[in-house]
Amino acid sequence: QLQLQESGSGLVKPSQTLSLTCAVSGGSISSGGYSWSWIRQPPGKGLEWIGYIYHSGSTYYNPSLKSRVTISVDRSKNQFSLKLSSVTAADTAVYYCARVRDGDYPGGYFDYWGQGTLVTVSS
Amino acid sequence: AIQLTQSPSSLSASVGDRVTITCRASQGISSALAWYQQKPGKAPKLLIYDASSLESGVPSRFSGSGSGTDFTLTISSLQPEDFATYYCQQFNSYPLFTFGPGTKVDIK
Repeated sequence: QLQLQESGSGLVKPSQTLSLTCAVSGGSISSGGYSWSWIRQPPGKGLEWIGYIYHSGSTYYNPSLKSRVTISVDRSKNQFSLKLSSVTAADTAVYYCARVRDGDYPGGYFDYWGQGTLVTVSS
Repeated sequence: AIQLTQSPSSLSASVGDRVTITCRASQGISSALAWYQQKPGKAPKLLIYDASSLESGVPSRFSGSGSGTDFTLTISSLQPEDFATYYCQQFNSYPLFTFGPGTKVDIK
């Protein structure tokens, strides 16, 4: 059974960089047909897609966050990471990592999710 | 950029009721739509993909339909464990992954 687990700092100061890692177990992050993604959810609000990394290593980001986001993969550790720079209080949210099942369409859908981790931006 | 709207934004229903939630895309997305269920404090769970395909392990009372711009999620007989928020998500058009605002289903 595939499992994803987010880890990282739960408290980040304004203007600093948020860093999270998603450890994948029960399967290989290099498996064909799948990509990996980050999604966030501000408290009491809806879901916002942040970006994803294709199994080839290419990345694609939400245009609204693109200038501040970097997603990378470490295949030796079977994990992928998120960095979000210049954070403000508006970036306070539960951050989820998820697997993207690729198919016949340009994107895909999220079939496995981590439990989520709350990141608070505050001084 | 494509936008998704959901209606209603919330609804109250009783156990055993048939519930229908609608998702509308601002432009055609073929059948590139998924539905998720989210309970408080939990990650979303995939229910339906490709507009009408039931994810493995999901009860058959859940079904999806539609293509192009108009989609529906139907729960044929609402169960106590189905009270949750439901989101649609498109994966066909820029910016490639977009979620609807959600529909909260609570107990009447």
